[in-house]
Amino acid sequence: DAGVIQSPRHEVTEMGQEVTLRCKPISGHDYLFWYRQTMMRGLELLIYFNNNVPIDDSGMPEDRFSAKMPNASFSTLKIQPSEPRDSAVYFCASTGHRDRGETNYGYTFGSGTRLTVV
Amino acid sequence: AQTVTQSQPEMSVQEAETVTLSCTYDTSENNYYLFWYKQPPSRQMILVIRQEAYKQQNATENRFSVNFQKAAKSFSLKISDSQLGDTAMYFCAAAGANSKLTFGKGITLSVRP
Repeated sequence: DAGVIQSPRHEVTEMGQEVTLRCKPISGHDYLFWYRQTMMRGLELLIYFNNNVPIDDSGMPEDRFSAKMPNASFSTLKIQPSEPRDSAVYFCASTGHRDRGETNYGYTFGSGTRLTVV
Repeated sequence: AQTVTQSQPEMSVQEAETVTLSCTYDTSENNYYLFWYKQPPSRQMILVIRQEAYKQQNATENRFSVNFQKAAKSFSLKISDSQLGDTAMYFCAAAGANSKLTFGKGITLSVRP
């Protein structure tokens, strides 16, 4: 498996523009997570899905942020309109269900998208 | 819900020596997992080691081992024979029954040649 794939790797956009970040989880993983990493706040969980259904979106900062998972192999995180304070690295991660007894249970992260809003 | 605390913001160690990174956590669950992740300058998040809470034996992975003290809710990472490539940020994390993974603030480790 190629691992968790995120695109784009870097994104520079102007304030007010719409930004869409994409993620392809590992095939067979039940859970997908979106994190945001900044120097000030560290790694924050924004939202996570189980079997394509959003379970907890309490970390989504405001209505400008939205996330979807239309199928098991694809998720998007959208920011509209973007603001300079949204500048951060956004990670996607996936994992299987731990009760399957997988000996290598763990969370696999994508390479992240560095978003800069100017 | 879990909370994870890493109180040391940074540490430094001489190459080939041993270093221990501290982590404490809080949870009301009995069955949970603990992890250490490494984030080098490339920013990739790399799983270093995992510990299942119901297993008393401390996990080991080559030069990396943990000291898991369940009653004290402590989960420290020991790196033996430190190498220059170990220079990175290290994050402690916990996941409970809902699979929600919570991170500490991380610690920056520098390995000196």
